[in-house]
Amino acid sequence: EAQVTQNPRYLITVTGKKLTVTCSQNMNHEYMSWYRQDPGLGLRQIYYSMNVEVTDKGDVPEGYKVSRKEKRNFPLILESPSPNQTSLYFCASSLSLGAANTEAFFGQGTRLTVV
Amino acid sequence: ILNVEQSPQSLHVQEGDSTNFTCSFPSSNFYALHWYRWETAKSPEALFVMTLNGDEKKKGRISATLNTKEGYSYLYIKGSQPEDSATYLCAFPSQAGTALIFGKGTTLSVSS
Repeated sequence: EAQVTQNPRYLITVTGKKLTVTCSQNMNHEYMSWYRQDPGLGLRQIYYSMNVEVTDKGDVPEGYKVSRKEKRNFPLILESPSPNQTSLYFCASSLSLGAANTEAFFGQGTRLTVV
Repeated sequence: ILNVEQSPQSLHVQEGDSTNFTCSFPSSNFYALHWYRWETAKSPEALFVMTLNGDEKKKGRISATLNTKEGYSYLYIKGSQPEDSATYLCAFPSQAGTALIFGKGTTLSVSS
């Protein structure tokens, strides 16, 4: 089954404690991306990757890091989480560069709370 | 800066009602328009990716139309069912083609 798998689904952490949210896809997609969803706002892109070892900032990259060492994995790293990073996070992948005319596949989301 | 607007923000209908939502997007440099359905505690799932002016797509009781010249798309649900309750998102590729720009969504609640 084609899928994007995120872990964990829920996480409560304290300010400053480094954490990683994992994302893996089994569709051999080149393009992967991280979004955050906050109340009253649309999904906003954090980082994206066009292929292995190729990553770039999205609209809201501050406080986040990513890596793309393998095609299937695209972890999101919060080196020193702060309360303003409390949000719902989605990983997405798609077949083509930029997901322009092919659909994006989303993970189930990670609900992060930073206290 | 691209902006995608969706209306209404939320909608409550009775089972069997037909309903529709609107997505407005920049009409210049059009490339594609995406519709996703997002059920609570699940992943957003693609409904349609539309690329041609005048295009109409259908999946079961759900259909969508596209007008690229005036920059809008309609999503229609015929005979709404409780399982149609979800947030419906539309999205438009960024100018660089590296992101989807999402609207805030329309949340549909269908009562039985």
